[in-house]
Amino acid sequence: AQKVTQAQTEISVVEKEDVTLDCVYETRDTTYYLFWYKQPPSGELVFLIRRNSFDEQNEISGRYSWNFQKSTSSFNFTITASQVVDSAVYFCALSEKGAGGTSYGKLTFGQGTILTVHP
Amino acid sequence: DTGVSQDPRHKITKRGQNVTFRCDPISEHNRLYWYRQTLGQGPEFLTYFQNEAQLEKSRLLSDRFSAERPKGSFSTLEIQRTEQGDSAMYLCASSNVGQSNQPQHFGDGTRLSIL
Repeated sequence: AQKVTQAQTEISVVEKEDVTLDCVYETRDTTYYLFWYKQPPSGELVFLIRRNSFDEQNEISGRYSWNFQKSTSSFNFTITASQVVDSAVYFCALSEKGAGGTSYGKLTFGQGTILTVHP
Repeated sequence: DTGVSQDPRHKITKRGQNVTFRCDPISEHNRLYWYRQTLGQGPEFLTYFQNEAQLEKSRLLSDRFSAERPKGSFSTLEIQRTEQGDSAMYLCASSNVGQSNQPQHFGDGTRLSIL
């Protein structure tokens, strides 16, 4: 069965610091997708990134970057020069093949990391 | 492009009552998902549909829970004989599965409080 672990329950940083959120996953599938979502205080889950298991290339989007390492089953997320608006709960998630071998279905989420950025 | 819409935003009810939530997905999305999120936890999968077909149900979905997507557009989630443990945020998401697997986009959720 699939599992996602976010070992850091809460992280507190001061604005402009860099911060890395850890994500470790377990799956028996050879093909899968990994995701990061942000949940600000307003509550809506906001999609940030999706990564296919065959694509281990790291990705950078503005102040955000993601490090996918299949060898260690990790998909870590780094925010560079953090800002107060980055304060939110961040979830890592995994999607395997759906029921009956259909295309990717449900998401399995980690417990989330609460990030607080202080001014 | 409107997002995923859920109604109501909040529902307060007494234990033992039935409740029904509605989700309107993004219009061109053929997949619709239901999740439940309790305080301090990540969302947990409940069920999902492709068009009107219910493809998978979680073991979390007891006999008191039922979901429908009769015309492949909006969906309803009904909880019968509510219990205290049903208090949670119920999230709906939609995606488009076709030539590429699109990420799920979530609504604002319906917060259920059982008195």
